[in-house]
Amino acid sequence: DTGVSQNPRHKITKRGQNVTFRCDPISEHNRLYWYRQTLGQGPEFLTYFQNEAQLEKSRLLSDRFSAERPKGSFSTLEIQRTEQGDSAMYLCASLRTTDTQYFGPGTRLTVL
Amino acid sequence: KQEVTQIPAALSVPEGENLVLNCSFTDSAIYNLQWFRQDPGKGLTSLLLIQSSQREQTSGRLNASLDKSSGRSTLYIAASQPGDSATYLCAVSTDSWGKLQFGAGTQVVVTP
Repeated sequence: DTGVSQNPRHKITKRGQNVTFRCDPISEHNRLYWYRQTLGQGPEFLTYFQNEAQLEKSRLLSDRFSAERPKGSFSTLEIQRTEQGDSAMYLCASLRTTDTQYFGPGTRLTVL
Repeated sequence: KQEVTQIPAALSVPEGENLVLNCSFTDSAIYNLQWFRQDPGKGLTSLLLIQSSQREQTSGRLNASLDKSSGRSTLYIAASQPGDSATYLCAVSTDSWGKLQFGAGTQVVVTP
């Protein structure tokens, strides 16, 4: 059990560029969640997967955002045509069934 | 729509004092409630998880209570230490799928 890992830890990009983040959950955790956190706020739910199936997407997840979890293992979150309002910490979490969610260290995105 | 509120937003106490952190939620139909700790620029660490059928959970110096009928949870940290300085977040889940709704957190500073 090596914990949830996220890469990169920091990403600086220019407005209009595409970015992709990766999350590696704890092995055998079949559920994976993405959250977004802005300064001074709690994390907000974006989307989650049960194995490879994306089961729910928040209205926060505009059509510029896409998430995948091929083969029910790692997950990627892509943001196309980034905007300054996308600057935030993107957090990934995983759990097996009804256990506690385990969070990764996050990817901090800065859009210039 | 479920709303989670944490008051106060910030708290400073001298070392050795007990900490009392409050969390309220508007919809009592929750599945579970969790308390997390977040250090600056880092991910979240789960502290305690209380199932909807439980009234409290304890771990070491931490004790969390849950009163669903009044929509409240309280996290008690006994004999605070400077290492307890962090932001504490409360989150509720309304079903077994695990999607969490967070409060904005309480930033705690414990002074030596």
